[in-house]
Amino acid sequence: GQNIDQPTEMTATEGAIVQINCTYQTSGFNGLFWYQQHAGEAPTFLSYNVLDGLEEKGRFSSFLSRSKGYSYLLLKELQMKDSASYLCAVKDSNYQLIWGAGTKLIIKP
Amino acid sequence: DVKVTQSSRYLVKRTGEKVFLECVQDMDHENMFWYRQDPGLGLRLIYFSYDVKMKEKGDIPEGYSVSREKKERFSLILESASTNQTSMYLCASSPWAGTSYEQYFGPGTRLTVT
Repeated sequence: GQNIDQPTEMTATEGAIVQINCTYQTSGFNGLFWYQQHAGEAPTFLSYNVLDGLEEKGRFSSFLSRSKGYSYLLLKELQMKDSASYLCAVKDSNYQLIWGAGTKLIIKP
Repeated sequence: DVKVTQSSRYLVKRTGEKVFLECVQDMDHENMFWYRQDPGLGLRLIYFSYDVKMKEKGDIPEGYSVSREKKERFSLILESASTNQTSMYLCASSPWAGTSYEQYFGPGTRLTVT
């Protein structure tokens, strides 16, 4: 079966750096997405990786290793507004998105 | 600005009622999706559509049906609502071309079936 694993919850301090990991086992691979979802709101797109390596976008970076079935989202200079759930999703061989359950990130002052 | 709208943010229905959830996108996207989101389970695909009048079952289609009569509108129908359909329902759309295009989500409808 297809599976996406990410930690349920993480806590970090304002101004610090946090890394949210995602491991996947899917039938085929056509890219990995990270979304941010604030409580009670819709998910919004953060990043897309299809080739191995690091993609940087401001304070957020996303890394992919296809051989290891592994990705991480790196958030730098954490702000209180970064408190949200972070969803990892993989596009499989049928181009359908398989979603992880999400990681709830709590930022403390 | 990209926009996906859903007909209601909150909805309370009784068991056995027929429920309609409407989704409209203004981006001329070919693909539209209906998901439900439950704590600890992630997003689960109910149905999707890649063209007008076309529909495909997702992972959990039982108890649901859909309608896409116009490109911009995708409706989810609960034929006879049950308490286990209490959930957050999210609609999304994306362009057809390319694998890198993300899905754009509506604000969600929190449905409670009593």
